[in-house]
Amino acid sequence: NAGVMQNPRHLVRRRGQEARLRCSPVKGHSHVYWYRQLPEEGLKFMVYLQKENIIDESGMPKERFSAEFPKEGPSILRIQQVVRGDSAAYFCASSPELGGELFFGEGSRLTVL
Amino acid sequence: RKEVEQDPGPFNVPEGATVAFNCTYSNSASQSFFWYRQDCRKEPKLLMSVYSSGNEDGRFTAQLNRASQYISLLIRDSKLSDSATYLCVVNGLSNTDKLIFGTGTRLQVFP
Repeated sequence: NAGVMQNPRHLVRRRGQEARLRCSPVKGHSHVYWYRQLPEEGLKFMVYLQKENIIDESGMPKERFSAEFPKEGPSILRIQQVVRGDSAAYFCASSPELGGELFFGEGSRLTVL
Repeated sequence: RKEVEQDPGPFNVPEGATVAFNCTYSNSASQSFFWYRQDCRKEPKLLMSVYSSGNEDGRFTAQLNRASQYISLLIRDSKLSDSATYLCVVNGLSNTDKLIFGTGTRLQVFP
């Protein structure tokens, strides 16, 4: 019974490079959420997806950030042309139902040099 | 006004003390309420859901006051292992029902 799996756990990128973060939800969960946590701050909602659909991306920056949850495979959070301010922990969570308990992965920590 | 507001603390209490955290939320239509716990540099984990009638789980008691739009968490007989950040979580304003996290209240229990 694997929980939410995120990889990589740690990622270092130079400014201008791309970062791809992957998330495999709990088996059977069709609701996936991405949250960002800056150092010493709370979790900020970024995007909510169901299979092949972006349901709510109100927390996503308008540029450089994108997310997908394809029919097959993990959910991907993609950050293009990273800047130092993108350095944060990115948590993925899944839920079996809308508004239900969120099960979090261990997070992917992005460091932009 | 923030959607979910918490006192950031830190609350420094001795072992065995009773400590209470409050959290206020802005959306009167919210239906789902939770307390999560986050240890340093770890992922948040569900501590307990909060029901309208209030609920208790061992040393932890959660209560909801809809009229005043706040929820509370009471920890009795604090243990060193209770040291963590406690996150108040409420379902959000949009119809997608996403969960909104407060910034958390830090608790430090000392011997």
